[in-house]
Amino acid sequence: DVQLLESGGGLARRGESLTLSCSGSGFIFGNYWLNWIRQAPGKGLEWVANIKQDGSDMYYGDSVRGRFAISRDNAKKLLYLQMDSLRVDDTATYFCARTDDGTYLPDHWGQGTRVTVSS
Amino acid sequence: QPVLTQPPSVSGTPGQKVTISCSGSDSNIGSNYVYWYQQFSGAAPKLLIYRNNQRPSGVPDRFTGSKAGTSGSLAISGLRAEDEAEYFCASWDYSRTVVFGGGTKVTV
Repeated sequence: DVQLLESGGGLARRGESLTLSCSGSGFIFGNYWLNWIRQAPGKGLEWVANIKQDGSDMYYGDSVRGRFAISRDNAKKLLYLQMDSLRVDDTATYFCARTDDGTYLPDHWGQGTRVTVSS
Repeated sequence: QPVLTQPPSVSGTPGQKVTISCSGSDSNIGSNYVYWYQQFSGAAPKLLIYRNNQRPSGVPDRFTGSKAGTSGSLAISGLRAEDEAEYFCASWDYSRTVVFGGGTKVTV
């Protein structure tokens, strides 16, 4: 079974940095685009970023571009999200998700890790 | 503001059919697939429909997806109490972003 497990969430202050990780298993990690998607409390889903199989290409949502960086280590089967210059409105549950082959859209999701940014 | 437009809520009685719409544009739904996700309170989203109208294994055939032009739809027939959840649509946009709808809460 495909499994994705996020870690690294917690409490940060405005302007600080935090790094999230996502461990993948049950599939060939290096064969898939991967995503970070977030959900603020009581709100809808917001796509954050995605990264190509070999890490050579990545795209970002407007609200995080220039502050967040997505990366991956296929040998370790890990996906990362480096979050800098955190803002209060970055408070959300962050999900990692595998992309359906050839479509850029998520198929399998992790359980999420919560990030709270205080002022 | 979400790029894709969904009704905030729909409701129905057990056994009824409800339909959720997802309106986009030429740069997303009009040119790419529509996906649907089901999310129960406090849980992660789960893929319900992929590539407009395909169901992953384990998803009941009561759930049907379709696409016409720049809009997608999710129909739930034979509505059950266990279908009470939030449903999100998504598509790829040519601005190189994944776009989501705002979500529709289904009440049974």
